[in-house]
Amino acid sequence: SQQGEEDPQALSIQEGENATMNCSYKTSINNLQWYRQNSGRGLVHLILIRSNEREKHSGRLRVTLDTSKKSSSLLITASRAADTASYFCATAGAGAGTASKLTFGTGTRLQVTL
Amino acid sequence: GAVVSQHPSWVICKSGTSVKIECRSLDFQATTMFWYRQFPKQSLMLMATSNEGSKATYEQGVEKDKFLINHASLTLSTLTVTSAHPEDSSFYICSASAQNLAKNIQYFGAGTRLSVL
Repeated sequence: SQQGEEDPQALSIQEGENATMNCSYKTSINNLQWYRQNSGRGLVHLILIRSNEREKHSGRLRVTLDTSKKSSSLLITASRAADTASYFCATAGAGAGTASKLTFGTGTRLQVTL
Repeated sequence: GAVVSQHPSWVICKSGTSVKIECRSLDFQATTMFWYRQFPKQSLMLMATSNEGSKATYEQGVEKDKFLINHASLTLSTLTVTSAHPEDSSFYICSASAQNLAKNIQYFGAGTRLSVL
């Protein structure tokens, strides 16, 4: 399977704490993206990092990418109860014609409690 | 901007009937639309990719005659689950991308929960 693995599968933290999720993938990529999914809903794009980038920030989100290890991490700082959701990494392939398709990881279910 | 509407959000049908799910890009022209299937607490599995006016490209293991995809316009794609059976019960999600928007980013519909009795 080309699907990426995410770690941990589930994470429970208190509001105000930081949450870190990790993603590993198997093939060469054009870019890696993180998406969020609230229960029973569609996905919302959070951030995209290109294969030649190592770190990217967006608000309370920080993403790192290590192409030599084929891994990425998503850090959510100062978490809020509203951050409770599932988070998926998704990779866009580097090969011709594969850049538009995304391969999703297994997801991390984040629970932020008050 | 970049809103994708998916309809219906929930459908219950009898075994053997066909169900059509619509995916519309409301404020942009979607050059490519994608259909995914998601089982409870699992990841998204890509079923097929469709470009306007051309036949859909199905992923390995997805039956073309079972899951009919039509992408008749730049704003509408439909997925028809033909002769549905209980094992087709799942959460189906569509997404769309556009060349004139951020490349490689997909904009998702809210999903359709299909229950086949």
